Amino acid sequence: DAGITQSPRYKITETGRQVTLMCHQTWSHSYMFWYRQDLGHGLRLIYYSAAADITDKGEVPDGYVVSRSKTENFPLTLESATRSQTSVYFCASSTGLAGGQETQYFGPGTRLLVL
Amino acid sequence: AQKITQTQPGMFVQEKEAVTLDCTYDTSDPSYGLFWYKQPSSGEMIFLIYQGSYDQQNATEGRYSLNFQKARKSANLVISASQLGDSAMYFCAMRGAQGAQKLVFGQGTRLTINP
Repeated sequence: DAGITQSPRYKITETGRQVTLMCHQTWSHSYMFWYRQDLGHGLRLIYYSAAADITDKGEVPDGYVVSRSKTENFPLTLESATRSQTSVYFCASSTGLAGGQETQYFGPGTRLLVL
Repeated sequence: AQKITQTQPGMFVQEKEAVTLDCTYDTSDPSYGLFWYKQPSSGEMIFLIYQGSYDQQNATEGRYSLNFQKARKSANLVISASQLGDSAMYFCAMRGAQGAQKLVFGQGTRLTINP
C-alpha cells in the first residue's frame, strides 16, 4: 500500500534552472493538489487537478506549471527557479466525493532549496 | 474569499493537561467543512478531525474534539489529557462548497507538551 509518494524528497538547485517535482498516488483518487509550506503562511495551494487533463490554478500559481496526463501522476515544474520558491512542497489527493468528511491525503513532502 | 485565522503561534502545556487550539474562519459559503491536521517534526500532515457546517454535534475522535461555534465562526481543537507525542504543529483548514475540493489553511500553532 504505497499511498501517495513524492520525489525527490530533497532537492538543491540554482536560480534559473528548471525543476520538476513528482507526485504519484496509488488510490486512483480523482483530485490531486500541490501546496507549498512557508513559515508564517501555513500551506498555500499552487495548483490542483480534478481529473486527468483537468487542472486549475490555486492561490500562488505564478512560476509553476503542472500537467496530469495520467490519473496517478501530478508533476509540478518550476520553469525557472527563483530563491522565493525555496519551500517545502506537499502533494495531496482526495476522492472528490461531494459532501461529508472528505479529507485530503498528503505525501511526505519535498524540501526544495534554490540557491 | 475564505480565510482561516490561528492566533496562537505557539503554546506550551504540561503533560496530561487539556489544551485548546484556536481557529476562526470567514466564509460566505453556507456549506463548508472544517479540518484539523497535525504536523509532527517529521513533517508529514496527519488528518485529525472534521466538522461539517451542518453537523448538529461537535465532532470527536478519541482525545480530539472540536468546539464548533458557528455563530462565532470558530472551530477550536481540544486535546484532552495531552501527551508528549502531541508536540507538533497544528493546522486548521476549511473547504467551502464553492471551492471545489480546495483547502484553505491557517498559519498553524506550534504546540509543545512539557513533561
